[in-house]
Amino acid sequence: AQSVTQPDIHITVSEGASLELRCNYSYGATPYLFWYVQSPGQGLQLLLKYFSGDTLVQGIKGFEAEFKRSQSSFNLRKPSVHWSDAAEYFCAVSAREYGNKLVFGAGTILRVKS
Amino acid sequence: EAGVAQSPRYKIIEKRQSVAFWCNPISGHATLYWYQQILGQGPKLLIQFQNNGVVDDSQLPKDRFSAERLKGVDSTLKIQPAKLEDSAVYLCASSLVGGRDTEAFFGQGTRLTVV
Repeated sequence: AQSVTQPDIHITVSEGASLELRCNYSYGATPYLFWYVQSPGQGLQLLLKYFSGDTLVQGIKGFEAEFKRSQSSFNLRKPSVHWSDAAEYFCAVSAREYGNKLVFGAGTILRVKS
Repeated sequence: EAGVAQSPRYKIIEKRQSVAFWCNPISGHATLYWYQQILGQGPKLLIQFQNNGVVDDSQLPKDRFSAERLKGVDSTLKIQPAKLEDSAVYLCASSLVGGRDTEAFFGQGTRLTVV
């Protein structure tokens, strides 16, 4: 069965510090990988996506993520966090073999302290 | 380009009542999804349409939930009768069909409160 695990429910970082949010997946097919961000009362906004090619992908708002097939991971990183980054972050996975069904992790809530 | 439109934004109903949500996807997007997001959890897929056909409804509680996508464009999701545990945000998303364009674009959602 397809599944996505985000091990950290909450993460708190200081403004200006670096950030890494973890995502692991279990898929029996070549995955497409996504990170979405959700601010309170808002819909989901796509930060970045990986379909193929270069395993380090750049996204909006200074975020990047690295696909590591050997570890079944797609961790999200940002070198310097801003207070406006406080939100909930979701990792999601799909695959053409599964009808492009998008499966989400449980999310990680990011708190930024000044 | 207009995004995914959903209405209403908020709805409060009593248990055992019925409710309907509406979604207008991005023009030209053949795939439409309905997700349920319970507070503190990630979105859970309820149903996925490809044009007006159902691709996946394995997690749709069919005894009370129904969805349709007439003419392969707009979609409605209905709950009848509602239960307290149906309180959640209902998200609609759409994407282009086929190839590498599996990126889904989300609406702002409908927040349902069942009392």
